Amino acid sequence: EVQLLESGGGLVQPGGSLRLSCAASGFTFSSYVMTWVRQAPGKGLEWVSAISNSGTRIYYADSAKGRFTISRDNSKNTLYLQMSSLRAEDTAVYYCARDSLGSYWGQGTLVTVSS
Amino acid sequence: QSVLTQPPSASGTPGQRVTISCSGSSSNIGSNTVNWYHQLPGTAPKLLIYSNNQRPSGVPDRFSGSKSGTSASLAISGLQSEDEADYYCAAWDDSLNGRGVFGGGTKLTVL
Repeated sequence: EVQLLESGGGLVQPGGSLRLSCAASGFTFSSYVMTWVRQAPGKGLEWVSAISNSGTRIYYADSAKGRFTISRDNSKNTLYLQMSSLRAEDTAVYYCARDSLGSYWGQGTLVTVSS
Repeated sequence: QSVLTQPPSASGTPGQRVTISCSGSSSNIGSNTVNWYHQLPGTAPKLLIYSNNQRPSGVPDRFSGSKSGTSASLAISGLQSEDEADYYCAAWDDSLNGRGVFGGGTKLTVL
C-alpha cells in the first residue's frame, strides 16, 4: 500500500524558514517523480514543485522560485521542501504526492506563517 | 487566477448526469494529458481520472473523462449524495520550463 507521510509543518514568523519532509513507503520511491502541492485555507489546489526520480530535473511554480528548494534522498525514501523567506500567503496545507500531478497523496501538513 | 478554468459550482439531483468542464491552452491540455481529482472537506485529494479518461482501480465507472483540443470534461452519471465534493482538473504545462497546473475547482452539490 502506497503511503506518504508529511511532517515539519507548524507556525513560523514572516521571513522565517521551515523544512517539510515526506516519508514514502509501499512503492519503489527512487522510480517516481515526486511533487508538492499546497492548499490555502478555503482555497483550491496549487502545484508547488516537482523533482524527477533521480533528482536531476526540478520544477517550480513561480510562487516558489527563489524561495523554496525541493530535494529527495532516495536512500531514505524521503522527499523534502525547504522553504525560506516565508510570507503570510504561504499559509496552507502542504501535500506530498507521487508523480508530477499526484496519483497518491499524503494527508498534508499545515504551515502557518504569522507573527 | 488559475491556469485551467473550471466553473466554480455545479449541481444535480440523485440519479442525474452532470459534467464539469476544464478549459486550458495549447501548452497544457492541448499537449498533455489531464487528471481529475475529488476532495471531501478536510481530506486529501483523491485521483479520479488520469490520462484523460482512465480510472484508477476502485473508481466506479460512473465517472468518466474526455478531452478535446484544449478542453477536458468530467462526467458523473447516476449522481449519488456521496459525490458531493470539490473537483479539480490538472495538467502539465510545457511553458516556463515546465510546471503543473490545476483548475480552480468546482464545488458539486447534490440537491
